[in-house]
Amino acid sequence: DQQVKQNSPSLSVQEGRISILNCDYTNSMFDYFLWYKKYPAEGPTFLISISSIKDKNEDGRFTVFLNKSAKHLSLHIVPSQPGDSAVYFCAANDNDMRFGAGTRLTVKP
Amino acid sequence: GAVVSQHPSRVICKSGTSVKIECRSLDFQATTMFWYRQFPKQSLMLMATSNEGSKATYEQGVEKDKFLINHASLTLSTLTVTSAHPEDSSFYICSAHLRGTEAFFGQGTRLTVV
Repeated sequence: DQQVKQNSPSLSVQEGRISILNCDYTNSMFDYFLWYKKYPAEGPTFLISISSIKDKNEDGRFTVFLNKSAKHLSLHIVPSQPGDSAVYFCAANDNDMRFGAGTRLTVKP
Repeated sequence: GAVVSQHPSRVICKSGTSVKIECRSLDFQATTMFWYRQFPKQSLMLMATSNEGSKATYEQGVEKDKFLINHASLTLSTLTVTSAHPEDSSFYICSAHLRGTEAFFGQGTRLTVV
């Protein structure tokens, strides 16, 4: 069962613009959410997280928003840079961790 | 999409015994597999990188004699926790990589050592 869904397999944005990556989940018991970034031939690296008691967490150009009523979270990257081009995974955590399928972001110069 | 099967999903073992976790790529050949460990409410910690036919590369601080990794074929990597102790109780997850670009995660294994 796919408890965490990233419905957009790919996203392309222009350098300097905002990138918005979306993630939906079905399990209301999830209480901690994370975003990972992955470059080709490397393992995913942690990017940013948010606890369910918050609705926003910001770290530099990266902001994660959580809408618990909609069971939806999103990652905003502003401004987008070509080096941000990668695959982004959202993950949700209760006792175990569940990953979305990933969204490939391409930032064009 | 590609599927990575990790087995078992949950295991309880006695202290001092060994536990083997399998990670299989079901419909593609994974030249590289990664093994992670996750503590509650923390992000994943990369333990080791497993390349088919060669020795695994362990991250600093990970005991290679305790966490044995074998990547004998392009579709199977195993992680064996040897002489398990309660502090080894954790969530272990693998990811398999397709053509060095895509990453597909296994379902994870909840290990409880009693």
